[in-house]
Amino acid sequence: EAGVVQSPRYKIIEKKQPVAFWCNPISGHNTLYWYRQNLGQGPELLIRYENEEAVDDSQLPKDRFSAERLKGVDSTLKIQPAELGDSAVYLCASSPSVYEQYFGPGTRLTVT
Amino acid sequence: AQSVSQHNHHVILSEAASLELGCNYSYGGTVNLFWYVQYPGQHLQLLLKYFSGDPLVKGIKGFEAEFIKSKFSFNLRKPSVQWSDTAEYFCAVLEGNNRLAFGKGNQVVVIP
Repeated sequence: EAGVVQSPRYKIIEKKQPVAFWCNPISGHNTLYWYRQNLGQGPELLIRYENEEAVDDSQLPKDRFSAERLKGVDSTLKIQPAELGDSAVYLCASSPSVYEQYFGPGTRLTVT
Repeated sequence: AQSVSQHNHHVILSEAASLELGCNYSYGGTVNLFWYVQYPGQHLQLLLKYFSGDPLVKGIKGFEAEFIKSKFSFNLRKPSVQWSDTAEYFCAVLEGNNRLAFGKGNQVVVIP
């Protein structure tokens, strides 16, 4: 089966610019996650969706980050405006249940 | 929230050596525990998991992990590593709010 697809794989932007990441989960997986992984750290959850509903977004910096999952399939994570500290790898994962998550390859964001 | 500790962030060893990576978590109740692996250039993937039952769990590629409740530990082991085991290894705990908390990871380099 096809895995979780993310694009772009790499993105370099200047600070204060907007950026968006796209994720296509594994077919049939109702739960979708966005994580941020800083250098030398493990992934940290930003937001979790159950179908179209954001059920856990308490760690999403809502002043500059937004996410959507239209029709309960693909999802987009946006940062506007980006700051230097947003440089990280942004991971998308999907799962059929809470007990096993399948991760995408990630988008490596560099903010200059 | 859970705190997941992984020590010895960088591990270098020779082929055929034994590997043990420590993982300690902070929550004392029922836990669901995972080890994920990220090979160079690849995405995070599940290595093994523990939910209940036999505290010694076996995963892919000859890895195993032992859950010791009294020590709040879930250490990963492999008796004889190969060059292809070079990767970053992450311990994770599923919290009560269905959030996966990751440790900082262990970067393992196996020298041929």
